[in-house]
Amino acid sequence: ETGVTQTPRHLVMGMTNKKSLKCEQHLGHNAMYWYKQSAKKPLELMFVYSLEERVENNSVPSRFSPECPNSSHLFLHLHTLQPEDSALYLCASSQDGGQGYTFGSGTRLTVV
Amino acid sequence: QKEVEQDPGPLSVPEGAIVSLNCTYSNSAFQYFMWYRQYSRKGPELLMYTYSSGNKEDGRFTAQVDKSSKYISLFIRDSQPSDSATYLCAMSGGAGNNRKLIWGLGTSLAVNP
Repeated sequence: ETGVTQTPRHLVMGMTNKKSLKCEQHLGHNAMYWYKQSAKKPLELMFVYSLEERVENNSVPSRFSPECPNSSHLFLHLHTLQPEDSALYLCASSQDGGQGYTFGSGTRLTVV
Repeated sequence: QKEVEQDPGPLSVPEGAIVSLNCTYSNSAFQYFMWYRQYSRKGPELLMYTYSSGNKEDGRFTAQVDKSSKYISLFIRDSQPSDSATYLCAMSGGAGNNRKLIWGLGTSLAVNP
């Protein structure tokens, strides 16, 4: 495996479900990010982890809960989501907070 | 006013055309400018990375930054159907409160054979 891998690729969940998105990077980077991509909106930064410590949380609702157990893995735990949370969730990594990010292919989330 | 403005298109051109994609911005503190390409059902991939003003060329791609006009461009020469994708500009000040990447909406490009 190379690059940044995200699973699952697609997820349909009800508003009362709990699910988790997984991201793994094989690049030796020390910073990881969660982004939300919705139609007709720019990419929205959700969380930043640097050296496994959360350094940024952009006013994301508490129904989204990130976890970074080590520098290679990042999770996004989801619970009691709303239909407006349906979007493409992208994970990215970079080295030393550098500007060139490597993205995964994303998880297409649909909340019903 | 948005920090970064990018026309979402769609832009449709014939194969072999020169494509010009543009973004304007309002924050004079931006120093790092990037273009990402995103194919359907994929994440964005870094295409070009420029620091401060000037031009950068990589094969058929040229990135230009004009900080005096707060305007950046991506040119694609001899465009190919495989260039059909969404192109996103991104920029930042690179340090402190300005280190966060600010993204454009993305321009959807279709190159027709």
